[in-house]
Amino acid sequence: EAQVTQNPRYLITVTGKKLTVTCSQNMNHEYMSWYRQDPGLGLRQIYYSMNVEVTDKGDVPEGYKVSRKEKRNFPLILESPSPNQTSLYFCASSHSPNYGYTFGSGTRLTVV
Amino acid sequence: AQSVSQHNHHVILSEAASLELGCNYSYGGTVNLFWYVQYPGQHLQLLLKYFSGDPLVKGIKGFEAEFIKSKFSFNLRKPSVQWSDTAEYFCAVNVAGGSYIPTFGRGTSLIVHP
Repeated sequence: EAQVTQNPRYLITVTGKKLTVTCSQNMNHEYMSWYRQDPGLGLRQIYYSMNVEVTDKGDVPEGYKVSRKEKRNFPLILESPSPNQTSLYFCASSHSPNYGYTFGSGTRLTVV
Repeated sequence: AQSVSQHNHHVILSEAASLELGCNYSYGGTVNLFWYVQYPGQHLQLLLKYFSGDPLVKGIKGFEAEFIKSKFSFNLRKPSVQWSDTAEYFCAVNVAGGSYIPTFGRGTSLIVHP
């Protein structure tokens, strides 16, 4: 089944403790992206990648890192999480800009 | 940079009512346009998309959208909503030839009463 898989689905962590949210797609897509969703703000793009080793900042990149060492994986790294990074995170991938994006099921992160 | 505006933040309808959700974008060039739906507790799913051709686009579940270039709009419509259409709806645009990563509107929450 074609899908984008994110892990974990839920995560509660403490301020300053490094964490990684994994994202993997099995569709051989070139384009991948991370979004955060907050009430009243909709989806805001954190980072995106157009291919292996090609990444760029989105609208809200501060406090996040990404890497794209393999085509299928696009992990999101929070080196020192803070409470304002409490949010719902979505990974998405696409083969072509015309086709729209396939989204993962989301990761709900709480930083206390 | 492109931007997307969804003017209706919350919409409440009764079953069988007609629906129109507004979406306007700001960019003067060629764009690809999308509507996504997010059912409660779920991830976003693509409802329909436009990238060329007939400006009236039909999607899944009886939804359609019309691209009006002169108005920079891509409004979503459904003639008769059902309770199961209760969800959040997002309009998105990406610039053809640009980064290909879409910019999303803030979303419209639709509640349909049975």
